[in-house]
Amino acid sequence: ETGVTQSPTHLIKTRGQQVTLRCSSQSGHNTVSWYQQALGQGPQFIFQYYREEENGRGNFPPRFSGLQFPNYSSELNVNALELDDSALYLCASSSTYRLGGYTFGSGTRLTVV
Amino acid sequence: QKEVEQNSGPLSVPEGAIASLNCTYSDRGSQSFFWYRQYSGKSPELIMSIYSNGDKEDGRFTAQLNKASQYVSLLIRDSQPSDSATYLCAVMTGNQFYFGTGTSLTVIP
Repeated sequence: ETGVTQSPTHLIKTRGQQVTLRCSSQSGHNTVSWYQQALGQGPQFIFQYYREEENGRGNFPPRFSGLQFPNYSSELNVNALELDDSALYLCASSSTYRLGGYTFGSGTRLTVV
Repeated sequence: QKEVEQNSGPLSVPEGAIASLNCTYSDRGSQSFFWYRQYSGKSPELIMSIYSNGDKEDGRFTAQLNKASQYVSLLIRDSQPSDSATYLCAVMTGNQFYFGTGTSLTVIP
């Protein structure tokens, strides 16, 4: 059983709406990263948080934002949803961000209509 | 040019054979390299990590890294039908984490 949990598992939103996805890191992990995986593609890195600070960001617009809390849980917020935002959103945590080796949660399937 | 490139496959091997999966990356400054396995509809699962040139073995899996050629590979010995999945190569460069598009492997009984 994975130590990283994500909620919700599935979500349907309307274009233009805002969405918040949540992630609880594996115990002892202080680094969390978020990925977007479109069908048939590899995960695309959105951003990474280490000890509540963003310390890495992929090629995603500012309407993708995040937070990491003192207990190392995390949120991904997406504003002004677009149809192309429909994807599987994966959260992953690690205890040693410089080395990687992340453990992934089971993901949130977001559908924008 | 993509940061990480993999042949999408599909790659088919008979049960018991060696499956060879390959990956190239573009940034010479990349320092950490990973192979993940992803079953259909599931999240990626870490199989191997490798940080220095050479081979690293873990059970039936061997990861190979050649930084001069910017090349990473994964060998799966004695392939089993349960190994049928998409294999993702991932590279860490600074604080950025890049995945390839994955290679689909089918092990035929």
